[in-house]
Amino acid sequence: EPEVTQTPSHQVTQMGQEVILRCVPISNHLYFYWYRQILGQKVEFLVSFYNNEISEKSEIFDDQFSVERPDGSNFTLKIRSTKLEDSAMYFCASSEEDTQYFGPGTRLTVL
Amino acid sequence: RKEVEQDPGPFNVPEGATVAFNCTYSNSASQSFFWYRQDCRKEPKLLMSVYSSGNEDGRFTAQLNRASQYISLLIRDSKLSDSATYLCVVNPPAGTALIFGKGTTLSVSS
Repeated sequence: EPEVTQTPSHQVTQMGQEVILRCVPISNHLYFYWYRQILGQKVEFLVSFYNNEISEKSEIFDDQFSVERPDGSNFTLKIRSTKLEDSAMYFCASSEEDTQYFGPGTRLTVL
Repeated sequence: RKEVEQDPGPFNVPEGATVAFNCTYSNSASQSFFWYRQDCRKEPKLLMSVYSSGNEDGRFTAQLNRASQYISLLIRDSKLSDSATYLCVVNPPAGTALIFGKGTTLSVSS
């Protein structure tokens, strides 16, 4: 069964550093998403991406964040200058229509 | 008012029990509804979509009441492997974002 994959599984970084989280969506899916989940809190939407552009973003997705589909398979989330409060699980998801399938997540720890 | 609200947990039940989770959502024009389950420190996994007519998948039954903006999930004959957090999820109109509830934790014991 096809699945969304994410790398790395765990990323530790210093405050102020840039990080890039990588995702490979399910191959025939056209919609891609990033969500985050701070420990003990609910899953929160960050951004959706379709046809090589952002289709929707939340208030969390400020100028520190960007997304890119650099080739036909990868979908990346970049955080330019990480803050302590960026520590969370980051989940990538993809969909053909409205049902979204999630990757295993990257645990980001900002020290 | 929170966009998606769920029963506070945790629910602790013995194997074989029937357990029901409830959820309400604030946007009456919401279009799609789902139950996901999430194991500790893992990703949300789709359990089932929820349709207006109600739908069943084995031991799991989901119901939607659009007039009351209410969604439910019934689990019959609980198994140890059902222990997880159950997330009520709504897709608002004209949007792509999924809105998650905080989840209800179920613990099934032998």
